[in-house]
Amino acid sequence: DGGITQSPKYLFRKEGQNVTLSCEQNLNHDAMYWYRQDPGQGLRLIYYSQIVNDFQKGDIAEGYSVSREKKESFPLTVTSAQKNPTAFYLCASSAGQGAGTGELFFGEGSRLTVL
Amino acid sequence: AQSVAQPEDQVNVAEGNPLTVKCTYSVSGNPYLFWYVQYPNRGLQFLLKYITGDNLVKGSYGFEAEFNKSQTSFHLKKPSALVSDSALYFCAADLNTGRRALTFGSGTRLQVQP
Repeated sequence: DGGITQSPKYLFRKEGQNVTLSCEQNLNHDAMYWYRQDPGQGLRLIYYSQIVNDFQKGDIAEGYSVSREKKESFPLTVTSAQKNPTAFYLCASSAGQGAGTGELFFGEGSRLTVL
Repeated sequence: AQSVAQPEDQVNVAEGNPLTVKCTYSVSGNPYLFWYVQYPNRGLQFLLKYITGDNLVKGSYGFEAEFNKSQTSFHLKKPSALVSDSALYFCAADLNTGRRALTFGSGTRLQVQP
């Protein structure tokens, strides 16, 4: 079945460590996104990519990095520079065609906890 | 400033009663508006969208939303709530800033009591 796969589902990190969250899609979508979810704050955009080898910062990019070397993959690295990384991270994709942003398809999320 | 707002943190409704979850927006130009639902520790599921056309949009699981341009609102509705509708609901919009990404409201928790 087509969809978006995020891994790991749960991740624990010690302070000062970088961690990478995986996001893979087999929907043949051009656009991919990373959002962060905190209680009471909704979803905030970290990074997005409209095409391979190109990506843009969202509203809260500081302390995060991404790459888009393949159409189906958009990994997110949470670096030690991110001051408060404990959160639920959601990856999404869209067809990315036509006027405006189309429907987003979401993965099941990765919950990162800093010990 | 362009934004999406959900004024209620939580909505409580009895099973069988109609439900409304509110959303207002501030967008320049024609809005692209969406509703998503999230169950605990899961990703978001698409419910419906408004791009253009009829102001009443029908979506998944019996939900519908009414686009009201004069009130800049896009409220989610369902004629008869089910206990299984209890979840977190997000309104989202493309704010027409040239950034092709959705901006989400803060979410509204819907609690349907049996």
